[in-house]
Amino acid sequence: KQEVTQIPAALSVPEGENLVLNCSFTDSAIYNLQWFRQDPGKGLTSLLLIQSSQREQTSGRLNASLDKSSGRSTLYIAASQPGDSATYLCAVKGIAAGNKLTFGGGTRVLVKP
Amino acid sequence: DAGVIQSPRHEVTEMGQEVTLRCKPISGHDYLFWYRQTMMRGLELLIYFNNNVPIDDSGMPEDRFSAKMPNASFSTLKIQPSEPRDSAVYFCASSQGDSPLHFGNGTRLTVT
Repeated sequence: KQEVTQIPAALSVPEGENLVLNCSFTDSAIYNLQWFRQDPGKGLTSLLLIQSSQREQTSGRLNASLDKSSGRSTLYIAASQPGDSATYLCAVKGIAAGNKLTFGGGTRVLVKP
Repeated sequence: DAGVIQSPRHEVTEMGQEVTLRCKPISGHDYLFWYRQTMMRGLELLIYFNNNVPIDDSGMPEDRFSAKMPNASFSTLKIQPSEPRDSAVYFCASSQGDSPLHFGNGTRLTVT
């Protein structure tokens, strides 16, 4: 059974510092991996989707890498801003799971001005 | 597009009452998912549909939960009878094939 882990559960950084968020998964047989952002009281917003054949995806200040063989993905947020404060979740679509995503527990990020 | 629309945003009900949560997916999306989020268990997939057909309901906790998708633009999740342990935020999400998942803003359910 696929398990997705995000450590740490919470992170606090000063504004301007680069953010590094980690995601690990146990079964490397995946279709893709997605990173989401969740603001309090809101649903999840998709940030980046990396297909299993890709090594990274970039969107503005965000860059996500994928190392399928080691079961790891990293989300980098450059030059963090207070508006980046949110919970970030990764989710894996495993080949054995059909079209279902398995979510990590999330990392709650606070960017202090 | 208005995104995935869920109603109500908040629901407070007494134990034993029936609760119905509603979802309108994004037009053209062929997959619809119902998730439940709690502090203790995180995000759990309850059921998902493809082209209005339920594909996997293995996450539905028990027979008190049921979901329907009568057409491509509407789905319901019903809990009957509700219990305090059902208190959570329920999310509906939709996608087109392998495209990113789009979530609604959720329904916060409190069962007293």
